[in-house]
Amino acid sequence: EAQVTQNPRYLITVTGKKLTVTCSQNMNHEYMSWYRQDPGLGLRQIYYSMNVEVTDKGDVPEGYKVSRKEKRNFPLILESPSPNQTSLYFCASSLRRGSYNSPLHFGNGTRLTVT
Amino acid sequence: ILNVEQSPQSLHVQEGDSTNFTCSFPSSNFYALHWYRWETAKSPEALFVMTLNGDEKKKGRISATLNTKEGYSYLYIKGSQPEDSATYLCAPLDGNQFYFGTGTSLTVIP
Repeated sequence: EAQVTQNPRYLITVTGKKLTVTCSQNMNHEYMSWYRQDPGLGLRQIYYSMNVEVTDKGDVPEGYKVSRKEKRNFPLILESPSPNQTSLYFCASSLRRGSYNSPLHFGNGTRLTVT
Repeated sequence: ILNVEQSPQSLHVQEGDSTNFTCSFPSSNFYALHWYRWETAKSPEALFVMTLNGDEKKKGRISATLNTKEGYSYLYIKGSQPEDSATYLCAPLDGNQFYFGTGTSLTVIP
């Protein structure tokens, strides 16, 4: 089944404890991205990747790192989480940026709480 | 950062009513516009990808139009059903980034 798999679904952690949220897609998509969803705000892009070894900052990259060593995986790393990173996170992928039939496919989301 | 506005913020309609909502975005540097449907406790799912001025897309009872020159897109739902209840998101693509609106929350009352 074609899908974007995100793990974990729920995570409660403490300030400063490094964590990684994994994202994997099995559709051979070139474009992958991370978003956070906060109440009253639209989905905001954290980082995106156009292809392997190519990553760029989105609108809210502070406090996050990503890597794209393989086409299928795009982990989100929080080196030193803080309470303002408590949010709902989505990973998404598409065949390629903006082409005619390339909608974003979203993972199931990760609800992160940093205390 | 692209300023994307969706209106109304929320909408309650009776089953069988037709409805529409608006997505407004700056018209410069436009590349594509996506519409997504987001049900509670699920992930957003793509409805339409629109790229050309004047584009009209249709999927069942849902359709969308695009005006890139004036910077807006309309989403129409004909004969709303309770299963249409969801938040509808638009996302213009500007350069390499998608900018999501806050969505229109639709509730269809049986």
